[in-house]
Amino acid sequence: EIVLTQSPGTLSLSPGERATLSCRASQSVSRTSLAWYQQKPGQAPRLLIYGASSRATGIPDRFSGSGSGTDFTLTISRLEPEDFAVYYCQQYGSLPRTFGQGTKLEIK
Amino acid sequence: EVQLVESGGGLVQPGGSLRLSCAASGFSFSTYWMTWVRQAPGKRLEWVANIRQDENEKYYVDSVKGRFTISRDNAKNSLYLQMNSLRAEDTAVYYCATDHKGTFDYWGQGTLVTVSS
Repeated sequence: EIVLTQSPGTLSLSPGERATLSCRASQSVSRTSLAWYQQKPGQAPRLLIYGASSRATGIPDRFSGSGSGTDFTLTISRLEPEDFAVYYCQQYGSLPRTFGQGTKLEIK
Repeated sequence: EVQLVESGGGLVQPGGSLRLSCAASGFSFSTYWMTWVRQAPGKRLEWVANIRQDENEKYYVDSVKGRFTISRDNAKNSLYLQMNSLRAEDTAVYYCATDHKGTFDYWGQGTLVTVSS
């Protein structure tokens, strides 16, 4: 099983700032099969990024993903108020599909 | 508009059973893999099981193998999760989602399962 570790656990930033979230895998994720999700309190997760760097339908271009192998990054270029949420990475290169523990992005 | 609506959650005693349902609309259900994902209170998301369009492939996370069964009825646009021998650690919100090559594009709002005496 691939274990995903996200850092930091909590990130405190202000609207307009840049956010960089990290996801590290315990072994190489095949074919850059890495996705990012956003989850707000009481809501289901929403797919943001798949294939490590492709934005899902309707996702603003301030969200971008990068990385390969074991190290992946989600970047939000300029934070909007609605971006404060919990972000999860997920690998789908092998079974079982696994998620990271999440990074909480909070308003400073 | 894609809609996934879960139902069937509730309070059940340890060792008991529960069947979750997920009603799909707004897309061609029979052409999608489908998945169940759960989230225990304050915990990370956990993939539970998925099923191919024709039911000929099904996969489970180790912690539920032999206890949970995923199934679907394409004629009814519905996905199911039969959960037997429930344990306290199965307490979670259970989400159904479309499974597109391993990414979960559309999600329902979830149904809460609480296993407690």
